[in-house]
Amino acid sequence: DIQMTQSPSSVSASVGDRVTITCRASQPIRGWLAWYQQRPGKVPRLLINAASSLQSGVPSRFSGSGSETDFTLTIDSLQAEDFATYFCQQTNNFPYTFGQGTKVEI
Amino acid sequence: VQLQESGPGLVKPSETLSVTCSVTGGSVSGYYWAWIRQTPGKGLEWIDFIYSGGHNPSPASRGNGRAIVSVDTSKNQISLRLSSVTAADTAVYYCAKLEYTFSFRALQIWGQGTAVAVS
Repeated sequence: DIQMTQSPSSVSASVGDRVTITCRASQPIRGWLAWYQQRPGKVPRLLINAASSLQSGVPSRFSGSGSETDFTLTIDSLQAEDFATYFCQQTNNFPYTFGQGTKVEI
Repeated sequence: VQLQESGPGLVKPSETLSVTCSVTGGSVSGYYWAWIRQTPGKGLEWIDFIYSGGHNPSPASRGNGRAIVSVDTSKNQISLRLSSVTAADTAVYYCAKLEYTFSFRALQIWGQGTAVAVS
């Protein structure tokens, strides 16, 4: 199975900050990476498909980039509603494995 | 499309866990569906997936050991059976619609999840 490693595990930030989360795959996955946001007590929500394609309705302050083994999720000008846990998931090879999550805290 | 899981809440060790996902607002047919679980210690874990409809779909699941995923088109439901459970199978179980196309591969719609404890 492909191992997905996110860093950092948690980050403390303030409203208005720029936050960058990285996700590394144990083997190349082309551009098949998805990002999800999970607010406390809520269901994961798809933010980005195929490394950089923003889902409809997701604010443009979210962006994704990368390919093969190294990917990033960037949140520009952090808002109060962005404090959540973010997960990456590779969708190149089954089983579609997840990173361990990055908690963005105030 | 909305998904709603239902499950037993509590299962005894060594027994079989059965959870169901009801799909409303659309048909299960012609789409991929997946089961994922979440634990505080291990985060999100992919269990398995299934394609509803057609023969020889690509991709197709090769199975996942203790887990069996099935679809009931007459009830518009997807089911998961996990055999020989242990405490490590205690988790919130989610079903999700796996959007799988030339340019899209991700879990686009998630159910609310059902918590299952093994004890």
